[in-house]
This record gives sequence, structure tokens and C-alpha cells, in this order.
Amino acid sequence: DGGITQSPKYLFRKEGQNVTLSCEQNLNHDAMYWYRQDPGQGLRLIYYSQIVNDFQKGDIAEGYSVSREKKESFPLTVTSAQKNPTAFYLCASSAPHRVGELFFGEGSRLTVL
Amino acid sequence: RKEVEQDPGPFNVPEGATVAFNCTYSNSASQSFFWYRQDCRKEPKLLMSVYSSGNEDGRFTAQLNRASQYISLLIRDSKLSDSATYLCVVLRGDTDKLIFGTGTRLQVFP
Repeated sequence: DGGITQSPKYLFRKEGQNVTLSCEQNLNHDAMYWYRQDPGQGLRLIYYSQIVNDFQKGDIAEGYSVSREKKESFPLTVTSAQKNPTAFYLCASSAPHRVGELFFGEGSRLTVL
Repeated sequence: RKEVEQDPGPFNVPEGATVAFNCTYSNSASQSFFWYRQDCRKEPKLLMSVYSSGNEDGRFTAQLNRASQYISLLIRDSKLSDSATYLCVVLRGDTDKLIFGTGTRLQVFP
């Protein structure tokens, strides 16, 4: 079955540590996205990539980094520079010309202690 | 003012009831609209795309009113399994950017 796999589902880290969240898709989609969801707020875009080896900052990119070395993979690193990293992180992809029709992974819930 | 606004609810309705949610958007450059369903602590899943004045899919009907800048989602014959948060999402034509509402929570009781 095609889909998006995120790992880990739950992650606990100490302040000051970098963490990397994995996102892999087998839908053959070019476009991939990282969103952050906080209670009482809409999803906010962190980074997106329309094609391999290219990515752009979203609305809240500060303190995050990404890479897109393969079409299937779009990992997100939450660096120690991110002031409020505790959140639910969602990776998504979309087919060409279907920007609003996102397929999401199950999410990674990061808690910084 | 938020660019996409939804009543957070919760809407508590009995099984079999009809319930409707509204979502208002402020940017007239918005061109496409979507409803997503999100279960508690899970990922959002696309429920319906709304490209023209509206569309229907089984018990679900979405309508778009461009003049008043709102979209609505109507659920008929509510089931217990419809209990979830419904996210309104708007695609802005000028930036090709998706704007997510904060969601409306629906609780269907027996």
C-alpha cells in the first residue's frame, strides 16, 4: 500500500539537543511538506520541497532544517535554536497540480523536557 | 483577524442528526477549498475538495459562497464514527499557499 511513513511516533529529548524526524513516501509524489500543529492553532508550514535537491522555507522555518536528497525522503531536523520545539509534526505529500489534496503521515509527537 | 476562521465547537449532536459547520475566509484571492477530518491525536485526512459552488459525497455536502466568502460542511444522518475535528483549508491563488483553520470539533452521542 502506498503512503507516508513518519518515525518515530513519539520522541522525548532534552533541551539543547538536535533531533531528526524521518519522513518516507512511496506515492511517487514530487512535492513534500512539513507542518507543525499546536493546540488551538491551525497547521503551520515549516518547509516544503517541490523537487529533489530543492526546498523552500515556510512560515516558521527558524530553528529547523531539511534535506531532499531522494524523492522518497524528506527528513526534518529540529535544532536547539528552535525555541518551542514541543509539538506534533506532520509530514505530507501531494500529487502534481493537487496542492490542496495532501496525504499526511501519522505524525511525530516531540516533547522536549 | 485570522485568514481562515472556524467555530471551535464542540458541536454535540445525537446520532441521526444533521449538523452544519461554517468556515469564513478573508482573502478574496482564495481559489480552492478543502475539508479535512482529523481524529484525536491522529493525522488529518482529506474529506472533500470544493472547487466550484459545492459538491456532495454521500452524507456529506460542501458548499461555497464566494460573495460572502464562506464554505460550509453539512453532515446528514450523523454516525458515532463522524466524531472528529473538521479542518477547513483554503488555497490562496496569489501565493499558492494553503491556510488551515483551527478546526471545528464534532461529538456525536448515542
